[in-house]
Amino acid sequence: LAKTTQPISMDSYEGQEVNITCSHNNIATNDYITWYQQFPSQGPRFIIQGYKTKVTNEVASLFIPADRKSSTLSLPRVSLSDTAVYYCLVGPPGGGFKTIFGAGTRLFVKA
Amino acid sequence: GAVVSQHPSRVICKSGTSVKIECRSLDFQATTMFWYRQFPKKSLMLMATSNEGSKATYEQGVEKDKFLINHASLTLSTLTVTSAHPEDSSFYICSASDGGRAEQYFGPGTRLTVT
Repeated sequence: LAKTTQPISMDSYEGQEVNITCSHNNIATNDYITWYQQFPSQGPRFIIQGYKTKVTNEVASLFIPADRKSSTLSLPRVSLSDTAVYYCLVGPPGGGFKTIFGAGTRLFVKA
Repeated sequence: GAVVSQHPSRVICKSGTSVKIECRSLDFQATTMFWYRQFPKKSLMLMATSNEGSKATYEQGVEKDKFLINHASLTLSTLTVTSAHPEDSSFYICSASDGGRAEQYFGPGTRLTVT
């Protein structure tokens, strides 16, 4: 299983763009990269998933360089409600693989 | 999107009793379900993987006789904490996969407090 490394914490202000980078040097050829958001006392919530290049949805963008050894989650114009822990996970499609969560990145958005 | 529910959302029990937590996939069939526990300000720790109709696969250090997992149908998995002790107090989260994309769908979690 590919191990992931993220910054432990980040601070930002409302309205700013936040970029959280995740390292996954041992990513396998068939692994996808998935990001989740977790609020206190809630289960993780899916944000975005990608395999290569760039993926964008209504809440975030995911940038993946050609070597796929890292990825960057970009949150445009964060608000106070984006304060949460963000996890980057890698694994193959099929969903049956076990998921090992890293420490995640605790994002704190200030007013 | 796919929805996973857990019941109960929180439970308080006395030491020595057993507690059952249910995890249901509401609008899809879950070929695989996962159980995690999470301590305050810590990451999720995978406890076990359960596939419908077969025995669960437990992670190293997780006692299978203490944390009984049953995945009797494609929409329901249960975790029973047997003879609970205060150190079992934690936030238990399940997730489910339909076997398609790499994405997992997480339940809202169950807060277990053992007194």
